[in-house]
Amino acid sequence: AQSVTQPDARVTVSEGASLQLRCKYSYFGTPYLFWYVQYPRQGLQLLLKYYPGDPVVQGVNGFEAEFSKSNSSFHLRKASVHWSDWAVYFCAVSMGSGSWQLIFGSGTQLTVMP
Amino acid sequence: EAGVTQSPRYAVLQEGQAVSFWCDPISGHDTLYWYQQPRDQGPQLLVYFRDEAVIDNSQLPSDRFSAVRPKGTNSTLKIQSAKQGDTATYLCASSRLGGQYFGPGTRLTVL
Repeated sequence: AQSVTQPDARVTVSEGASLQLRCKYSYFGTPYLFWYVQYPRQGLQLLLKYYPGDPVVQGVNGFEAEFSKSNSSFHLRKASVHWSDWAVYFCAVSMGSGSWQLIFGSGTQLTVMP
Repeated sequence: EAGVTQSPRYAVLQEGQAVSFWCDPISGHDTLYWYQQPRDQGPQLLVYFRDEAVIDNSQLPSDRFSAVRPKGTNSTLKIQSAKQGDTATYLCASSRLGGQYFGPGTRLTVL
């Protein structure tokens, strides 16, 4: 069965530091992968998506993610974190064409220290 | 382009009461999803539609939850007799050819 694991429930970084949020997926076949961000009392906003092709995908606000089939991972990165990045980040997987329903991880709360 | 809209934004009920949530998807999006997001967890799919047809409702507690999308546009999710375990945020999302766009959600508290 498909599943997504985000091993870090909470991550704290200093403003201006680099960031990596980890995501591991379990899926038999070619996955379609997504990162969403959820700000307090708001819905989820799509940061970036991976459709089979180039393993490194660029998203909004300087975020990027790298797909690794060998490691079953889709980690999210940012070179320099801003205080406005304080939010919860969710990784999700989909089977793609024909069934776009998403399976979400449990989320990672990002705290940005001044 | 207007995003996905949901109402109400908040609801507080006693156990046993009924509640309905309404969702207006992005114009032109044929697929509509309802998710339940308990506090400090990721969203979990309840049901989804393509146009007016239910594609998958296997995760919907059918004895108390129902969802409709009669004209393939707006959708309503209803809980007949709410329980404390239903306390969560209910999210609606829409898509066309992948990449779901979410509404702000309805935060439900059942006392």
